[in-house]
Amino acid sequence: GAGVSQSPRYKVAKRGQDVALRCDPISGHVSLFWYQQALGQGPEFLTYFQNEAQLDKSGLPSDRFFAERPEGSVSTLKIQRTQQEDSAVYLCASSLEFTGTYGYTFGSGTRLTVV
Amino acid sequence: KNQVEQSPQSLIILEGKNCTLQCNYTVSPFSNLRWYKQDTGRGPVSLTIMTFSENTKSNGRYTATLDADTKQSSLHITASQLSDSASYICVVNTGFQKLVFGTGTRLLVSP
Repeated sequence: GAGVSQSPRYKVAKRGQDVALRCDPISGHVSLFWYQQALGQGPEFLTYFQNEAQLDKSGLPSDRFFAERPEGSVSTLKIQRTQQEDSAVYLCASSLEFTGTYGYTFGSGTRLTVV
Repeated sequence: KNQVEQSPQSLIILEGKNCTLQCNYTVSPFSNLRWYKQDTGRGPVSLTIMTFSENTKSNGRYTATLDADTKQSSLHITASQLSDSASYICVVNTGFQKLVFGTGTRLLVSP
């Protein structure tokens, strides 16, 4: 596609509910990133994939967060037993190759609200 | 700890005026520095990218500077337009696929 597509755009979840957020990167982009952006803050790194391999998941805040990219294209960020502090915008970004030399393209994000 | 600090937090200027946004970073190692524009409800869009050896980079009405010795960068916006209203985020790349984001400056251009 022309850009990074994320779905859904908005998600309201009851506390304790599991959610799955989807990211469709630009076709052919090797690297894929997930970021968490709290209101009024800059994005914070969650995890990074190079093709299907999850090379860095050091930013995942707890074991309730899980990300996968099984075929090296679409990625899913899953949050189990959501809590109110999980409320944020979740941004996905992709880049053509692993160094990021050609820049990163961000999706519009999924705004998650846990009530 | 790797940090990127931006100032001011928010800024209101009149349409047509110039403004300068500041970014100080304590990030190591350093690969490059980017300025992003983030419209409300959208993902960040890259404006400029500078490596260690570059002092200035322009993109239309946007001019970024980098002083690698003092670890400071600035983004100058010339002849502001209403569409410039957005958050501007300074991002430092450590070179290990770790992007360290500042909290951004929220700019409002008023008619």
